[in-house]
Amino acid sequence: QLVLTQSPSASASLGASVKLTCTLSSGHSSSAIAWHQQQPEKGPRYLMKVNSDGSHRKGDGIPDRFSGSSSGAERYLTISSLQSEDEADYYCQTWGNDIRVFGGGTKLTVL
Amino acid sequence: EVQLVESGGGLVQPGRSLRLSCTASGFTFGVCAMSWVRQAPGKGLEWVGFIRHKAYGGTSEYAASVKGRFSISRDDSKSIAYLQMSSLKTEDTAVYYCSREESGNSDYWGQGTLVTVSS
Repeated sequence: QLVLTQSPSASASLGASVKLTCTLSSGHSSSAIAWHQQQPEKGPRYLMKVNSDGSHRKGDGIPDRFSGSSSGAERYLTISSLQSEDEADYYCQTWGNDIRVFGGGTKLTVL
Repeated sequence: EVQLVESGGGLVQPGRSLRLSCTASGFTFGVCAMSWVRQAPGKGLEWVGFIRHKAYGGTSEYAASVKGRFSISRDDSKSIAYLQMSSLKTEDTAVYYCSREESGNSDYWGQGTLVTVSS
C-alpha cells in the first residue's frame, strides 16, 4: 500500500534552516514525490518534484531557498533563511498508475 | 499564466447532488490530466480523483471514499473539468480544489470552492 508519512509539526527560528521529511512506505522507495506549501487560509502551492536520486525540479517562481533531496525511502524539503511567510503546512504527494496519495502534512512554525 | 478557477460550491442537503466546475486557462488543457483534491475543515489534503487526457483514454480514477458516488468528466473544447457529486454525505463537507497534473503530481492549483453538506 502506497503511504506517505510526515511528522505533524516542526519549528525553526527566523533566518535559520529547516529540513522536513516525507517517508515512502515499504516497497516504494524508488518513487518520486512532490512538495506543496499551504499558507494559512490559502490554497496549496506546488513547490517541487523530488526524485529518488535527489534531483529536483521546482515550480514557477519558487525561491532558491527551497531545495529537495533524497535518501532511501525518505524525501526531504529544506528551507534555508527562514522567513515569516514560510510558516505554513507542507504536504508531500506521490502517485501510481491509478492513485494519488498525500502525506498528512507538517505544520511549520517560524519562531 | 496558468489559471484554474473552481465554481459550483455551496450548501447542499445530505443525499443530494452537486456539480463542480474547474475552468482552466493559460495552457493546453487537452493534453493534461486533471485532479480533484479536497480538504475538510481543519484537516489535510485528500485526493478525490483524476481524469486522464484523451490520448490516455480520458478515463478516471477515484479514491475509495468517493468511488461510485463521484464522477469526473472533461470538456476539452471549453477547457473545463467537472466533478459530479451524488449521494452527498456530511463527511463530504470540504474545500474542493482542482489541480493540473504533470506526470502524476499536481503542479498548479485552483483557489478552491467550499461544499457544505448539511440539513
